[in-house]
Amino acid sequence: DAKTTQPNSMESNEEEPVHLPCNHSTISGTDYIHWYRQLPSQGPEYVIHGLTSNVNNRMASLAIAEDRKSSTLILHRATLRDAAVYYCILSSGYGNKLVFGAGTILRVKS
Amino acid sequence: GAVVSQHPSRVICKSGTSVKIECRSLDFQATTMFWYRQFPKQSLMLMATSNEGSKATYEQGVEKDKFLINHASLTLSTLTVTSAHPEDSSFYICSARASLDGYTFGSGTRLTVV
Repeated sequence: DAKTTQPNSMESNEEEPVHLPCNHSTISGTDYIHWYRQLPSQGPEYVIHGLTSNVNNRMASLAIAEDRKSSTLILHRATLRDAAVYYCILSSGYGNKLVFGAGTILRVKS
Repeated sequence: GAVVSQHPSRVICKSGTSVKIECRSLDFQATTMFWYRQFPKQSLMLMATSNEGSKATYEQGVEKDKFLINHASLTLSTLTVTSAHPEDSSFYICSARASLDGYTFGSGTRLTVV
């Protein structure tokens, strides 16, 4: 499984945008970039995923570098409820397993 | 959206007994489900891939005789922790993929072995 590298933790102010980086220099051509987040004592929640083009949904945006070796999850206006561990994961193929790394702990200050 | 229901949410059992955890896909069929374990302040560790109608595929280092997985229908996978010991105490989570919108995870089962 291709590896991802994320900062251990980040801090943001409420109502401000947050950019969560992820490096995946060994990504293969068939690997999708997935983002999930996990609140304490809960299962992970899907945030967004993409292959090559930038993606937007109601929760966030995903910016993918042209060489696909890095990506950035963008939360446009952080709220206290966005405080969670964010995981960047590579996975190829529909239904293939997701292997979680350490993730980034996002703290949101009011 | 797709829902994966996991039951029970919490269980306490005595050392040496077995515990069964259920994972159901409520509004979709899942030929494949995944089981994870998570220790406090750690990330999720993939334990096994559950395949409907066939044997589960276990990750390296996971004892298949200790963690029995059964995927008898397209909506139900079960994980049985056999002869549980305190070191098996953990947060167990299942997941499945319902659509192109990514994987759906259960809310997890907190197992405490005393």
